[in-house]
Amino acid sequence: QEKVQQSPESLIVPEGAMVSLNCSFSDSASQSIWWYQQHPGKGPKALISIFSNGNKKEGRLTVYLNRASLHVSLHIKDSQPSDSAVYLCAVSMRSGGSNYKLTFGKGTLLTVTP
Amino acid sequence: EAAVTQSPRSKVAVTGGKVTLSCHQTNNHDYMYWYRQDTGHGLRLIHYSYVADSTEKGDIPDGYKASRPSQENFSLILELASLSQTAVYFCASSPGGTGNTLYFGEGSRLIVV
Repeated sequence: QEKVQQSPESLIVPEGAMVSLNCSFSDSASQSIWWYQQHPGKGPKALISIFSNGNKKEGRLTVYLNRASLHVSLHIKDSQPSDSAVYLCAVSMRSGGSNYKLTFGKGTLLTVTP
Repeated sequence: EAAVTQSPRSKVAVTGGKVTLSCHQTNNHDYMYWYRQDTGHGLRLIHYSYVADSTEKGDIPDGYKASRPSQENFSLILELASLSQTAVYFCASSPGGTGNTLYFGEGSRLIVV
């Protein structure tokens, strides 16, 4: 069973729409959670991270974390064609004892049409 | 802006041959990582290092070796390349371990034939 699951696998929205991306994880003792953006042929780039339950807003991005339901979501307001990319959820999860490691989801492919 | 550069950006290798992927960072970060990205698997950690002259195994180290001769440089070595190692490889650096942002390079596309 995948430890970090993202949905949907892909999403097509018109320019200006609100985008919602979901990520579920299996470890209630997880630490920080990141969202990375990856454009075609490029390396992932960190967008936003969250540690505490609740929400965090940075510009057009808002992330919501609910540890009780093991769920985090990323919302992009007023989406632009330049937002078209793969979005990766990465969760810091226990890997034995007091050690933690970063586990990535498979990603959501977002396409924003002009 | 953090900088991680990888070379080569693209390579075709023959089965059984030796492949070396190189990574250089100018971020002054202690941690460096090698990830593999495949369709359907996402990013998986191969090896990482938190100090020069020392490397650690990640989640999928079999068939790969790593070398960290200096803080700035981290190499991934495939002694006997196999078809299953066809993938895109990413190097990343971070100022600390888990809990810190990763800064990725542009990737190295490896095709083994």
